[in-house]
Amino acid sequence: KAGVTQTPRYLIKTRGQQVTLSCSPISGHRSVSWYQQTPGQGLQFLFEYFSETQRNKGNFPGRFSGRQFSNSRSEMNVSTLELGDSALYLCASSLDYGGPYNEQFFGPGTRLTVL
Amino acid sequence: DAKTTQPNSMESNEEEPVHLPCNHSTISGTDYIHWYRQLPSQGPEYVIHGLTSNVNNRMASLAIAEDRKSSTLILHRATLRDAAVYYCIPPPFRGAQKLVFGQGTRLTINP
Repeated sequence: KAGVTQTPRYLIKTRGQQVTLSCSPISGHRSVSWYQQTPGQGLQFLFEYFSETQRNKGNFPGRFSGRQFSNSRSEMNVSTLELGDSALYLCASSLDYGGPYNEQFFGPGTRLTVL
Repeated sequence: DAKTTQPNSMESNEEEPVHLPCNHSTISGTDYIHWYRQLPSQGPEYVIHGLTSNVNNRMASLAIAEDRKSSTLILHRATLRDAAVYYCIPPPFRGAQKLVFGQGTRLTINP
């Protein structure tokens, strides 16, 4: 079974631009979460989706948005990029949502550099 | 959200056991404790989880204190490939999936 895939793997943008990152979960997984990882802040939760609905959102500005499609694939968008948005963006999928425990499987991440 | 406390870094030698501690004094009685690790240049990966009693899998063992205020991840024979940042993660609040990553413990394995 293929793992979580993220595209693109690397991206270079300039300040003010917008970017869309894509995540394909493991086949059969219905829940997708997004995380941002930076050297200064570590791994921080962005948002999570289940059944095409955002279930939870982290403490990020409104420039960060996302969505989930009917096939469970997910995209996240960052508008008006700032230098501080340079980070590794990680997507994780899990089989279900809402139970006491659902193991999350992470993709390799998209490395975004904002110049 | 419950919080966890881990040492910033630990060092061990190859083929020796490693005990990674975690304090989680604020978790409730029905919450699982999860451990993930992040190898260099990779996304985090699940290691193990537990509720009350000790747990074992092919990767590690998890020893949970009787009062559940702390746990220890045990790598029985560390290899160079086990060098990673290990995260002890508190349970998400009910119904959520999000994982709250602290700073974790950076484990160095000496050959």
